[in-house]
Amino acid sequence: EDQVTQSPEALRLQEGESSSLNCSYTVSGLRGLFWYRQDPGKGPEFLFTLYSAGEEKEKERLKATLTKKESFLHITAPKPEDSATYLCAVQSTGGFKTIFGAGTRLFVKA
Amino acid sequence: DTEVTQTPKHLVMGMTNKKSLKCEQHMGHRAMYWYKQKAKKPPELMFVYSYEKLSINESVPSRFSPECPNSSLLNLHLHALQPEDSALYLCASSQNRDGYGYTFGSGTRLTVV
Repeated sequence: EDQVTQSPEALRLQEGESSSLNCSYTVSGLRGLFWYRQDPGKGPEFLFTLYSAGEEKEKERLKATLTKKESFLHITAPKPEDSATYLCAVQSTGGFKTIFGAGTRLFVKA
Repeated sequence: DTEVTQTPKHLVMGMTNKKSLKCEQHMGHRAMYWYKQKAKKPPELMFVYSYEKLSINESVPSRFSPECPNSSLLNLHLHALQPEDSALYLCASSQNRDGYGYTFGSGTRLTVV
Protein backbone atom coordinates (compact mmCIF):
# COMPACT_ATOMS: atom_id res chain seq x y z
CA GLU A 1 0.00 0.00 0.00
CA ASP A 2 1.25 3.49 -0.88
CA GLN A 3 2.29 5.56 2.13
CA VAL A 4 3.59 9.07 2.82
CA THR A 5 5.11 10.08 6.17
CA GLN A 6 6.22 13.62 6.98
CA SER A 7 8.48 14.74 9.79
CA PRO A 8 8.64 16.62 12.01
CA GLU A 9 4.93 17.25 12.77
CA ALA A 10 5.80 20.80 13.81
CA LEU A 11 8.91 22.93 13.49
CA ARG A 12 9.63 26.22 15.19
CA LEU A 13 12.41 28.38 13.74
CA GLN A 14 13.83 31.80 14.34
CA GLU A 15 13.86 34.12 11.36
CA GLY A 16 16.97 33.34 9.31
CA GLU A 17 17.44 29.86 10.81
CA SER A 18 17.63 27.41 7.88
CA SER A 19 16.21 23.89 8.19
CA SER A 20 14.71 20.96 6.27
CA LEU A 21 11.40 19.12 6.22
CA ASN A 22 11.31 15.42 5.41
CA CYS A 23 8.86 13.35 3.36
CA SER A 24 9.36 9.57 3.29
CA TYR A 25 7.31 7.59 0.81
CA THR A 26 6.56 4.02 -0.16
CA VAL A 27 5.04 3.40 -3.58
CA SER A 28 5.15 0.60 -6.12
CA GLY A 29 6.47 3.08 -8.69
CA LEU A 30 6.64 6.86 -8.51
CA ARG A 31 4.65 8.87 -11.03
CA GLY A 32 5.28 12.14 -9.19
CA LEU A 33 6.00 13.68 -5.77
CA PHE A 34 4.44 17.04 -4.98
CA TRP A 35 4.98 19.75 -2.37
CA TYR A 36 2.22 22.17 -1.36
CA ARG A 37 1.95 25.03 1.11
CA GLN A 38 -1.32 25.52 3.01
CA ASP A 39 -2.31 28.55 5.07
CA PRO A 40 -5.05 28.18 7.71
CA GLY A 41 -8.56 27.99 6.24
CA LYS A 42 -7.29 28.05 2.64
CA GLY A 43 -6.67 25.49 -0.06
CA PRO A 44 -3.18 24.09 -0.63
CA GLU A 45 -0.92 26.08 -2.96
CA PHE A 46 1.20 24.06 -5.39
CA LEU A 47 4.97 24.49 -4.99
CA PHE A 48 6.89 21.74 -6.81
CA THR A 49 6.66 18.46 -8.71
CA LEU A 50 9.58 16.01 -8.67
CA TYR A 51 9.60 12.96 -10.92
CA SER A 52 12.89 11.10 -10.50
CA ALA A 53 15.67 10.56 -7.97
CA GLY A 54 18.30 13.28 -8.11
CA GLU A 55 15.90 15.94 -9.31
CA GLU A 56 15.91 19.34 -7.56
CA LYS A 57 13.60 22.35 -7.85
CA GLU A 58 13.96 25.83 -6.34
CA LYS A 59 11.64 28.74 -5.68
CA GLU A 60 12.77 31.75 -3.67
CA ARG A 61 13.85 30.41 -0.23
CA LEU A 62 12.61 26.87 -0.91
CA LYS A 63 14.46 23.98 -2.50
CA ALA A 64 13.00 20.49 -2.97
CA THR A 65 15.12 17.38 -3.53
CA LEU A 66 14.23 13.76 -4.24
CA THR A 67 15.79 10.36 -3.59
CA LYS A 68 14.31 6.91 -4.17
CA LYS A 69 12.84 6.83 -0.66
CA GLU A 70 12.38 10.42 0.48
CA SER A 71 12.15 14.07 -0.39
CA PHE A 72 13.42 17.09 1.49
CA LEU A 73 12.10 20.63 1.45
CA HIS A 74 14.98 22.91 2.44
CA ILE A 75 14.10 26.36 3.72
CA THR A 76 16.95 28.88 3.60
CA ALA A 77 16.83 31.95 5.86
CA PRO A 78 13.09 31.69 6.51
CA LYS A 79 10.89 34.71 7.17
CA PRO A 80 7.72 34.90 9.31
CA GLU A 81 5.61 34.84 6.13
CA ASP A 82 6.92 31.33 5.43
CA SER A 83 4.88 30.10 8.41
CA ALA A 84 2.35 27.57 7.07
CA THR A 85 1.67 23.86 6.82
CA TYR A 86 3.77 22.14 4.16
CA LEU A 87 2.18 19.07 2.59
CA CYS A 88 3.93 16.33 0.64
CA ALA A 89 1.92 14.13 -1.74
CA VAL A 90 2.71 11.22 -4.06
CA GLN A 91 1.07 9.60 -7.04
CA SER A 92 2.12 6.07 -7.91
CA THR A 93 2.29 4.45 -11.32
CA GLY A 94 -0.27 1.93 -10.02
CA GLY A 95 -3.13 4.39 -10.33
CA PHE A 96 -4.16 8.02 -10.47
CA LYS A 97 -4.84 8.66 -6.81
CA THR A 98 -2.68 11.30 -5.10
CA ILE A 99 -2.02 10.58 -1.43
CA PHE A 100 -1.13 13.36 1.00
CA GLY A 101 1.08 13.18 4.05
CA ALA A 102 -0.08 14.64 7.36
CA GLY A 103 2.01 17.77 6.84
CA THR A 104 4.62 19.74 8.78
CA ARG A 105 3.44 22.88 10.53
CA LEU A 106 6.19 25.49 10.28
CA PHE A 107 6.32 28.48 12.62
CA VAL A 108 8.91 31.19 11.94
CA LYS A 109 9.37 33.78 14.67
CA ALA A 110 10.72 37.26 13.95
CA ASP B 1 -7.09 32.79 -15.54
CA THR B 2 -5.11 30.50 -13.22
CA GLU B 3 -7.70 30.04 -10.49
CA VAL B 4 -10.15 27.49 -9.22
CA THR B 5 -13.24 29.23 -7.89
CA GLN B 6 -15.45 27.58 -5.28
CA THR B 7 -18.84 28.75 -4.07
CA PRO B 8 -20.12 29.25 -1.50
CA LYS B 9 -17.19 29.95 0.84
CA HIS B 10 -19.26 29.02 3.89
CA LEU B 11 -22.36 26.84 4.20
CA VAL B 12 -24.45 25.87 7.19
CA MET B 13 -27.07 23.21 6.54
CA GLY B 14 -29.45 21.05 8.49
CA MET B 15 -29.40 17.28 8.28
CA THR B 16 -32.55 17.24 6.15
CA ASN B 17 -31.41 19.90 3.68
CA LYS B 18 -30.23 19.52 0.11
CA LYS B 19 -27.45 21.82 -1.03
CA SER B 20 -24.78 21.96 -3.73
CA LEU B 21 -21.16 23.04 -3.81
CA LYS B 22 -19.84 24.51 -7.05
CA CYS B 23 -16.37 24.62 -8.56
CA GLU B 24 -15.20 26.31 -11.75
CA GLN B 25 -11.89 26.52 -13.63
CA HIS B 26 -10.95 28.07 -16.97
CA MET B 27 -7.40 26.77 -17.33
CA GLY B 28 -8.36 24.05 -19.80
CA HIS B 29 -7.61 21.37 -17.21
CA ARG B 30 -9.19 18.00 -18.01
CA ALA B 31 -9.04 16.45 -14.51
CA MET B 32 -11.01 17.75 -11.53
CA TYR B 33 -11.16 16.53 -7.95
CA TRP B 34 -13.12 16.79 -4.73
CA TYR B 35 -11.22 16.49 -1.43
CA LYS B 36 -12.47 16.64 2.15
CA GLN B 37 -10.25 18.09 4.88
CA LYS B 38 -10.82 18.00 8.61
CA ALA B 39 -8.98 20.37 10.94
CA LYS B 40 -5.24 19.67 11.22
CA LYS B 41 -5.56 16.65 8.89
CA PRO B 42 -4.41 16.19 5.29
CA PRO B 43 -6.88 16.38 2.40
CA GLU B 44 -8.70 13.09 1.73
CA LEU B 45 -9.65 12.23 -1.82
CA MET B 46 -13.37 11.80 -2.54
CA PHE B 47 -13.80 11.85 -6.32
CA VAL B 48 -11.74 12.20 -9.50
CA TYR B 49 -13.17 13.26 -12.84
CA SER B 50 -11.12 12.79 -15.99
CA TYR B 51 -12.41 14.26 -19.25
CA GLU B 52 -15.79 14.80 -17.56
CA LYS B 53 -16.15 11.14 -16.59
CA LEU B 54 -16.00 9.81 -13.04
CA SER B 55 -12.63 8.08 -12.72
CA ILE B 56 -12.28 7.41 -9.00
CA ASN B 57 -14.86 7.20 -6.21
CA GLU B 58 -13.16 6.59 -2.88
CA SER B 59 -16.11 4.69 -1.38
CA VAL B 60 -17.82 7.94 -0.49
CA PRO B 61 -21.34 7.65 1.06
CA SER B 62 -24.19 8.18 -1.38
CA ARG B 63 -25.28 11.32 0.48
CA PHE B 64 -22.47 12.96 -1.52
CA SER B 65 -23.22 13.03 -5.26
CA PRO B 66 -20.71 14.52 -7.72
CA GLU B 67 -21.56 15.93 -11.12
CA CYS B 68 -19.39 17.27 -13.94
CA PRO B 69 -21.66 19.14 -16.39
CA ASN B 70 -18.76 20.22 -18.63
CA SER B 71 -14.97 20.49 -18.65
CA SER B 72 -14.99 23.70 -16.59
CA LEU B 73 -17.55 22.90 -13.91
CA LEU B 74 -17.74 20.45 -11.04
CA ASN B 75 -20.58 20.17 -8.55
CA LEU B 76 -20.99 18.26 -5.31
CA HIS B 77 -24.62 17.65 -4.33
CA LEU B 78 -25.27 17.14 -0.63
CA HIS B 79 -28.27 15.43 0.92
CA ALA B 80 -29.08 14.14 4.41
CA LEU B 81 -25.62 14.88 5.77
CA GLN B 82 -24.46 14.09 9.27
CA PRO B 83 -22.67 16.43 11.71
CA GLU B 84 -19.46 14.45 11.18
CA ASP B 85 -19.52 15.56 7.53
CA SER B 86 -18.65 19.07 8.68
CA ALA B 87 -15.29 19.92 7.07
CA LEU B 88 -13.51 22.03 4.48
CA TYR B 89 -14.41 20.75 1.01
CA LEU B 90 -11.72 21.44 -1.56
CA CYS B 91 -11.98 21.35 -5.32
CA ALA B 92 -8.86 21.00 -7.44
CA SER B 93 -7.94 20.67 -11.08
CA SER B 94 -4.90 19.54 -13.07
CA GLN B 95 -3.87 19.36 -16.70
CA ASN B 96 -4.83 15.71 -16.62
CA ARG B 97 -4.80 13.00 -13.93
CA ASP B 98 -1.36 11.71 -14.92
CA GLY B 99 1.35 13.14 -12.64
CA TYR B 100 0.56 16.86 -12.67
CA GLY B 101 0.35 19.14 -9.64
CA TYR B 102 -3.07 20.41 -8.63
CA THR B 103 -4.51 23.90 -8.50
CA PHE B 104 -6.80 24.05 -5.48
CA GLY B 105 -9.68 26.37 -4.77
CA SER B 106 -10.04 28.13 -1.42
CA GLY B 107 -12.64 25.60 -0.30
CA THR B 108 -16.14 25.60 1.12
CA ARG B 109 -16.36 25.49 4.91
CA LEU B 110 -19.36 23.24 5.56
CA THR B 111 -21.10 22.98 8.93
CA VAL B 112 -23.90 20.43 9.38
CA VAL B 113 -26.24 21.17 12.28
